[in-house]
Amino acid sequence: GENVEQHPSTLSVQEGDSAVIKCTYSDSASNYFPWYKQELGKGPQLIIDIRSNVGEKKDQRIAVTLNKTAKHFSLHITETQPEDSAVYFCAASLGGGFKTIFGAGTRLFVKA
Amino acid sequence: NAGVTQTPKFRVLKTGQSMTLLCAQDMNHEYMYWYRQDPGMGLRLIHYSVGEGTTAKGEVPDGYNVSRLKKQNFLLGLESAAPSQTSVYFCASMGQNYGYTFGSGTRLTVV
Repeated sequence: GENVEQHPSTLSVQEGDSAVIKCTYSDSASNYFPWYKQELGKGPQLIIDIRSNVGEKKDQRIAVTLNKTAKHFSLHITETQPEDSAVYFCAASLGGGFKTIFGAGTRLFVKA
Repeated sequence: NAGVTQTPKFRVLKTGQSMTLLCAQDMNHEYMYWYRQDPGMGLRLIHYSVGEGTTAKGEVPDGYNVSRLKKQNFLLGLESAAPSQTSVYFCASMGQNYGYTFGSGTRLTVV
């Protein structure tokens, strides 16, 4: 079955710096790759996603890149702010996304 | 719109007790899921449903049962709680754009 590995498990950056979180997946048939942000005491929230027919997608300060050949995808956050501090999960799914496998999560700390 | 609502938010059970977690969504989504979240292990799928009246096992189904009698509700049951089921439980639903909408979670402690 699908397996998603996520690195690093913890990331600390200075406010204004960039943060990069990387994930790899095992099933080459996966075609949908969402990223979720989980703030303390809340459920995960979808922040950006990318499909297998696209190499890169941007939404203001966040971007996601996908390399299908290498089977890895990354989340890039630029100009980080303290409110970006949270746990971020990558995920991969196939067959329309109805069964999604999550990475173990990255705890991001943005120091003011 | 409330989105996905989970009840209760917190619960403490004694070993061997039973309980039902309720998930309700108002987005008319077909697919619904129950995940558990444990430190360092991310989100693991317990059971899921692809429509009213259907359920299927996920990655960690043992010790849990589910029902989807109405499209908007997905119930997760623990028949005989064990300390290993101490966790945070999240319900989610999926719309046509494939992204999940999660509830705010239920923190369950089994003593």
